[in-house]
Amino acid sequence: GAGVSQTPSNKVTEKGKYVELRCDPISGHTALYWYRQSLGQGPEFLIYFQGTGAADDSGLPNDRFFAVRPEGSVSTLKIQRTERGDSAVYLCASNVLGGSGELFFGEGSRLTVL
Amino acid sequence: SQQGEEDPQALSIQEGENATMNCSYKTSINNLQWYRQNSGRGLVHLILIRSNEREKHSGRLRVTLDTSKKSSSLLITASRAADTASYFCATDAWDTGNQFYFGTGTSLTVIP
Repeated sequence: GAGVSQTPSNKVTEKGKYVELRCDPISGHTALYWYRQSLGQGPEFLIYFQGTGAADDSGLPNDRFFAVRPEGSVSTLKIQRTERGDSAVYLCASNVLGGSGELFFGEGSRLTVL
Repeated sequence: SQQGEEDPQALSIQEGENATMNCSYKTSINNLQWYRQNSGRGLVHLILIRSNEREKHSGRLRVTLDTSKKSSSLLITASRAADTASYFCATDAWDTGNQFYFGTGTSLTVIP
C-alpha cells in the first residue's frame, strides 16, 4: 500500500480480554517496529522484526504481549488478559532495511481498557 | 526506556517567529532523527543527521548536532500555524541494534 496501515484505529475492551492489533507495512519494507505511546509521552519501543523473525523483543513489557509476522509483511500485536495500564496508542512503523534510516509510521491503534 | 529528552516540554510562539527545541541523549549514537506528530496522528520524519555531521538544513528546518555534549537542536524558522505539533528526537546506536529511542517530545504551539 501507499503507507503503513493499522487496524483497528480505535479499540475499547474490558479488563481481562484478549486484543489483536494489526499492522500492514509499506510494500517491500523488510523492517517493522511496534511502539507504544502514552498520553504526553514519546513512543516507547516494543519489538522489531527483520523479515519474519523478531530481531529484538526486549521492549515487550511482559509475557502478556506477543507479536508475529508470519510472512514477513503484515504483523499482529497480541495482548492477553488486558489491564487498564495497557491503555495507550500502539504505533507501527516500517523501513526498508532496518538499521539507520527514516521510519514510516501508521496512524496508530488507540487501545482503551476499561 | 527512552533515550532522549526534549527541552522545553512546551513552547508557544507567534507566527513568523523562530522556534528552537533541544534534545539531549545519554549514550553514543549512530544517527539522530527529528519527527513531528500532529495531535492524534502518527509520526512523520523531518530530518536525519549522522553522528559525523554537525549541521543540516531542510527548507525552514535547521538541525545541529553536538556529540561532545550529546545534544541536538531543531530550529524552525518563520513559523506558521500549521507547524503546531509535537516534535520528537530519535536516536539509534551500534550497540543497541536497530532500536530507535524516542525522546519525550516538545509541544509547539504557533499562534496565528
